[in-house]
Amino acid sequence: QVQLQESGPGLVRPSETLSLTCTVSGASMRNNYWSWIRQPPGKRPEWIAYVYNNGGTTYDFNPSLKSRITISLDTSKNQFSLKLNSVTAADTAVYYCANVPLWWGQGTLVTVSS
Amino acid sequence: EIVLTQSPGTLSLSPGERVTLFCRASQSVVGNYLAWHQQRPGRAPRVLIYGASKRAAGVPDRFSASGSGTDFILTINRLEPEDFAMYYCQQHGSSPCSFGQGTKLEIK
Repeated sequence: QVQLQESGPGLVRPSETLSLTCTVSGASMRNNYWSWIRQPPGKRPEWIAYVYNNGGTTYDFNPSLKSRITISLDTSKNQFSLKLNSVTAADTAVYYCANVPLWWGQGTLVTVSS
Repeated sequence: EIVLTQSPGTLSLSPGERVTLFCRASQSVVGNYLAWHQQRPGRAPRVLIYGASKRAAGVPDRFSASGSGTDFILTINRLEPEDFAMYYCQQHGSSPCSFGQGTKLEIK
């Protein structure tokens, strides 16, 4: 059974960097597209980015967020991570890690507030 | 970016009824990479359908889906109380991956 679990701070100050990690069990980190998706309160999900490794590593980003995103993969730890810099209140959302479309983490609420 | 438009926005139905949800894409969905997700309040989305018509593991057979190109439908037969939730379509054939605005299924 594939499981994904997000971890990271639930509160981030404006202008700082949001950092989250997803730990995966039950699936290989290679040859899978590992995504971050967020969902602001009361709104539809929004795809952020994915990382893919099949020997080499490739990335894809939502153009609306690309300039602020760093995404990385650590196959030795079965983890992948997201950094979103220069956050504002508009970045407040539940953040999910996922293997689109089949597997989702339970999500973690990140609030941007001083 | 492919824009997905779902209809209707909200449906009020009773348990036991049959319902059809619609998802229209602004451009053809590459590879029919179209999924349907169910989301209950406070929970993560859960995939019901992928590849436009394939039921995910553990999904009851009262859920079925079809479509190709730009028009897709999700049908739920004999609604159960746990089916009253939010439903999103998602395409992941073209970047950026995108979601519809959702259809809320509520109990009449």
